[in-house]
Amino acid sequence: GDSVTQTEGPVTLSEGTSLTVNCSYETKQYPTLFWYVQYPGEGPQLLFKVPKANEKGSNRGFEATYNKEATSFHLQKASVQESDSAVYYCALGTSGGNYKPTFGKGTSLVVHP
Amino acid sequence: NSKVIQTPRYLVKGQGQKAKMRCIPEKGHPVVFWYQQNKNNEFKFLINFQNQEVLQQIDMTEKRFSAECPSNSPCSLEIQSSEAGDSALYLCASSLDWAYQDTQYFGPGTRLLVL
Repeated sequence: GDSVTQTEGPVTLSEGTSLTVNCSYETKQYPTLFWYVQYPGEGPQLLFKVPKANEKGSNRGFEATYNKEATSFHLQKASVQESDSAVYYCALGTSGGNYKPTFGKGTSLVVHP
Repeated sequence: NSKVIQTPRYLVKGQGQKAKMRCIPEKGHPVVFWYQQNKNNEFKFLINFQNQEVLQQIDMTEKRFSAECPSNSPCSLEIQSSEAGDSALYLCASSLDWAYQDTQYFGPGTRLLVL
């Protein structure tokens, strides 16, 4: 079946440093890839999605490229802020009769001022 | 911003009691998902619907858990006999299309504590 593996957290950074959260996926179908973010006390919300291989998604300074050859979708941000502290989820949606997306286990990010 | 409404936000039950939570999906979204999120932030899919019909559900849902999405009423998830292990955040999400490649819009969740 489908699977998503992402960086285990928590990841602790200082403001202004760079972030990379690794995400690798496995599927035999054609995927659409998502990054969701969950702030404390809220439900997850879409950060961005990328339906096509070798394209990049971006939002709020975060970006990720759908690398079909490497089956990866790593999340990056050049300079994190304290307000970026949240849990980040990589997710995979595929064709072929699976009616639900597959979520990674989430990566908790804590940014100190 | 998501407009999925979940009630109540918090629910406290004793073991063996029923626990019921509700979800109003975004207007015009026919597909509804229920997830259980544990204290390690991991998602467990429970069930999803397209309109009133079940698309997919896990075995756990078929036993103590029941869910429905009646026409013109909120969707609901009910645990018939709560157990301590059911303590979690229950998230409802809706999407515009049944295709799993569509964006999911989540509510804030119902946090269930089973004493």
